Amino acid sequence: GAGVSQSPSNKVTEKGKDVELRCDPISGHTALYWYRQSLGQGLEFLIYFQGNSAPDKSGLPSDRFSAERTGGSVSTLTIQRTQQEDSAVYLCASSLEIRGSRYNEQFFGPGTRLTVL
Amino acid sequence: AQSVTQLDSHVSVSEGTPVLLRCNYSSSYSPSLFWYVQHPNKGLQLLLKYTSAATLVKGINGFEAEFKKSETSFHLTKPSAHMSDAAEYFCVVRSGGYNKLIFGAGTRLAVHP
Repeated sequence: GAGVSQSPSNKVTEKGKDVELRCDPISGHTALYWYRQSLGQGLEFLIYFQGNSAPDKSGLPSDRFSAERTGGSVSTLTIQRTQQEDSAVYLCASSLEIRGSRYNEQFFGPGTRLTVL
Repeated sequence: AQSVTQLDSHVSVSEGTPVLLRCNYSSSYSPSLFWYVQHPNKGLQLLLKYTSAATLVKGINGFEAEFKKSETSFHLTKPSAHMSDAAEYFCVVRSGGYNKLIFGAGTRLAVHP
């Protein structure tokens, strides 16, 4: 079946512009995650959506970052007034949450490489 | 708070020789630990997971890892490296009762003929 997809695969933007990154999770997966992979910081958690619960935004680095998940499926990560330090690969993952399970595998998309000039 | 430390940023082996990628974890309770692999220009793929069942965990492509509580380690091994194993490997811990993953800095594995 189809895996997690992300678009665009590459995005080049100018400093100060807003960007939107899209994630299509695996159909039926109730949980969706955003991570960021950068040279200086490695792989960092950004935000987590689970069903209708309030998202865990504890990893968002600043208020320029926001994300939403519409209809419990597709998610968009928005970065406003981009800065050069926002340049990174943004990864999305989804999982099928099983209540009581200690582990729910996260399946990752290929990522969006963002370059801020 | 949970964390993982990957002790080597780069490891180089010859094809057919054993692989050892080292990881130490820090956790205030029984952790859920994982190894992920990332091939160039590919997404992250789960190699194996430890969730408090057997301490020796077998994964895909001949990899395995042993959870050692006394040493707070979860090293990844493979008896015989293949050229296709060249990639970046991440040791990961799940954050407590939450589902977010905390990644180590990664170990880049090079395999030489």
